[in-house]
Amino acid sequence: GQQLNQSPQSMFIQEGEDVSMNCTSSSIFNTWLWYKQDPGEGPVLLIALYKAGELTSNGRLTAQFGITRKDSFLNISASIPSDVGIYFCAGYAGGTSYGKLTFGQGTILTVHP
Amino acid sequence: DAGVIQSPRHEVTEMGQEVTLRCKPISGHNSLFWYRQTMMRGLELLIYFNNNVPIDDSGMPEDRFSAKMPNASFSTLKIQPSEPRDSAVYFCASSARGGMNTEAFFGQGTRLTVV
Repeated sequence: GQQLNQSPQSMFIQEGEDVSMNCTSSSIFNTWLWYKQDPGEGPVLLIALYKAGELTSNGRLTAQFGITRKDSFLNISASIPSDVGIYFCAGYAGGTSYGKLTFGQGTILTVHP
Repeated sequence: DAGVIQSPRHEVTEMGQEVTLRCKPISGHNSLFWYRQTMMRGLELLIYFNNNVPIDDSGMPEDRFSAKMPNASFSTLKIQPSEPRDSAVYFCASSARGGMNTEAFFGQGTRLTVV
């Protein structure tokens, strides 16, 4: 089945640094989504991307839908302690899958003050 | 809207007992998903429904797991009998009809501990 390879698995950074993480797939996706999960909570949608090449920002977050439709990246600029959490990419293949998403394994982000 | 509502938030039960997890999706959403999250396996899709009909239950680990969606505003995930390896966080998510129907919104999860 479809799989998403998300990297890195974990990151330890200093407050103020920029962060970059990405997801790649052997399959084409029509939509890429990025979620953040805080401890003890469910994943929360950060950014949704719908077109190949699309670059979208949400505050300090920027995400891009790869031209080949097989990859996406998420950048966080000027990290702050509340950015700590697990970040997931998710892809939607379209067709008759009724919104079924394929998730990456997650990137655990730790920010040192 | 209050978002996806799951209950209970925490459940501790003894091995062999029946466990029922509940979910109320966002009003107007027509797809509902049940996920299980563990450290070892990450987020696993167990089953999903569209318009209250189960579409794909291939992720359900065993016959001990069953899910129902009797109407558009309620779904249950049942484990009978429960085993310690079922301990995990179970999430329900829903998404809407239409062009943006790929954006799934998650509940806060039910943390299940089977002792």
